[in-house]
Amino acid sequence: EVQLVESGGGLVQPGGSLRLSCAAPEFTFSSYWMHWVRQAPGKGLVWVSRINSDGYSIYYADSVKGRFTISRDNAKNTLYLQMNSLRAEDTAVYYCARMVNHHFDYWGQGALVTVSS
Amino acid sequence: QSALTQPASVSGSPGQSITISCTGTSSDVGSYNFVSWYQHHPGKAPKLMIYEGTKRPSGVSNRFSGSKSGNTASLTISGLQAEDEADYYCCSFAGSITWVFGGGTKLTVL
Repeated sequence: EVQLVESGGGLVQPGGSLRLSCAAPEFTFSSYWMHWVRQAPGKGLVWVSRINSDGYSIYYADSVKGRFTISRDNAKNTLYLQMNSLRAEDTAVYYCARMVNHHFDYWGQGALVTVSS
Repeated sequence: QSALTQPASVSGSPGQSITISCTGTSSDVGSYNFVSWYQHHPGKAPKLMIYEGTKRPSGVSNRFSGSKSGNTASLTISGLQAEDEADYYCCSFAGSITWVFGGGTKLTVL
């Protein structure tokens, strides 16, 4: 069973930083594109960022470009999302998800990030 | 990139069929055969139900089916069951290595 386990969520003040991690111990992590998707309270899913299998091709949604950095450590089977200059509107549950041929076949349970003073 | 348009809510009685629409544009749904559908029970991980518009992953009930016509994709659930009650999201590849989700549809089984 493929498992994705997010960690690192929490409460942070506006302007602050937080780093999310997504551990993927059960499959050949280095073979897959990985994504972050978020869901603000009471809202729908929104795509945030994608990194390809070797980590050299990266894309972001306009809303986070320049503030968030996606990365991966294939030796540790772990995906990261460094979030800087956080705003209230970044408050959301953040999901990591594995992609196969333009669909997300496995998702984590999510990590809650709350940006508030 | 604007979100795909889904009805906010749909409902049906056990045993009935319902259809959830997902309307995009010629830049996303209309251009690519990469529409997927996800079932999301609050507090849990979203689950892939349909991919590439019409394909069902192994283990997903054949009560779930997908289709597409022009810029609109649809998810049909037949023989509604209580455990189908959840939020459902469509998603489409939108080119330029970006993906767009629908706003989500809350399914209520009466």
